Amino acid sequence: ETGVTQSPTHLIKTRGQQVTLRCSSQSGHNTVSWYQQALGQGPQFIFQYYREEENGRGNFPPRFSGLQFPNYSSELNVNALELDDSALYLCASSFQGANEKLFFGSGTQLSVL
Amino acid sequence: QKEVEQNSGPLSVPEGAIASLNCTYSDRGSQSFFWYRQYSGKSPELIMSIYSNGDKEDGRFTAQLNKASQYVSLLIRDSQPSDSATYLCAVSPRGGATNKLIFGTGTLLAVQP
Repeated sequence: ETGVTQSPTHLIKTRGQQVTLRCSSQSGHNTVSWYQQALGQGPQFIFQYYREEENGRGNFPPRFSGLQFPNYSSELNVNALELDDSALYLCASSFQGANEKLFFGSGTQLSVL
Repeated sequence: QKEVEQNSGPLSVPEGAIASLNCTYSDRGSQSFFWYRQYSGKSPELIMSIYSNGDKEDGRFTAQLNKASQYVSLLIRDSQPSDSATYLCAVSPRGGATNKLIFGTGTLLAVQP
């Protein structure tokens, strides 16, 4: 167990809806990253938050947004859901400067119908 | 050319044998390299990190890095059926956001009892 918790574990939405996924980082970690993992693919970097600000973003549209709170927990919001957004969403926490070692939560499986 | 390439497998080895997993990457300036293990339906788990050329051993696992050839590998000695999983190679790109990793698509390892 990494100490990174995500909720919910599973979610079913319909196209066009909005979704919020939540993540609590491991104690002592101040950076949260979000990744999307489609079936049969490796995780893809969505964005990272450090000190409550976005600190790097991958090739994802603006309808993917996030927040980090003072206790380092984080949210991922996705608006106007599309069928291709169906994937496992992974939150990873780390300590800034610790050679990029990421510790993943168990993920949220999102299905968009 | 993909940024991080792995053979998708499956790589099938008998119990007790050495499993050899390979990964190549395109960004010559990459500094940090990781191997994650992912069981079916679970999140990735960090098993090895390597930052300099050569070998790094941890129990039954050995990571090998050759920056000149842009090649990183993972050897698993005395393979066990419990090692059956997808192994993800991840690379930290030059100039990217701290803690951003680029993942390969993973190699499925099947250890036959």
